Amino acid sequence: EDQVTQSPEALRLQEGESSSLNCSYTVSGLRGLFWYRQDPGKGPEFLFTLYSAGEEKEKERLKATLTKKESFLHITAPKPEDSATYLCAVGSSNTGKLIFGQGTTLQVKP
Amino acid sequence: DVKVTQSSRYLVKRTGEKVFLECVQDMDHENMFWYRQDPGLGLRLIYFSYDVKMKEKGDIPEGYSVSREKKERFSLILESASTNQTSMYLCASSLRGTTDTQYFGPGTRLTVL
Repeated sequence: EDQVTQSPEALRLQEGESSSLNCSYTVSGLRGLFWYRQDPGKGPEFLFTLYSAGEEKEKERLKATLTKKESFLHITAPKPEDSATYLCAVGSSNTGKLIFGQGTTLQVKP
Repeated sequence: DVKVTQSSRYLVKRTGEKVFLECVQDMDHENMFWYRQDPGLGLRLIYFSYDVKMKEKGDIPEGYSVSREKKERFSLILESASTNQTSMYLCASSLRGTTDTQYFGPGTRLTVL
């Protein structure tokens, strides 16, 4: 069964304290791994798509990496405006759909 | 930039009413999706469409229908709204396949009283 698990559920950081969010997955035929940012009451905003193990992508303070079993979203020197829920999803060739994780809610305190 | 717009940010309806949620995308995307998002349940796919007039059931289609008469527009219809359909509704679109990158609209917070 296709499944996506994100950890931790919630993360509190001080401004400038780097950390990583985890997305573990099992899928029959990976058709991409996707990271989104979601602010309260708004729709998810696309961040990255990764397609193969070893691939990395960066955007400002965020860096996403991918292995055959999991993806990490590394946040370097976060700022309060990075506070949001981060969603991970995988594309399944078995179902032809995206399967979403439950998300990690990040709070960065000044 | 891809832009997906939804007709309402907030909507309050009565039980039994027929409800229409509209979604428009401006990037000539082939595929469009409707999700609902609830605390603890995450994002769940209701219906999707891969072409004009074509639709497929998602994981939770009961109580919903959809319409796609034009490529850029995808409507979600609640035939007779019920309180358990109170939720955040999100529309998304993707350029190529249904597992391609999806771009989301701002969401509609629907409350059914």
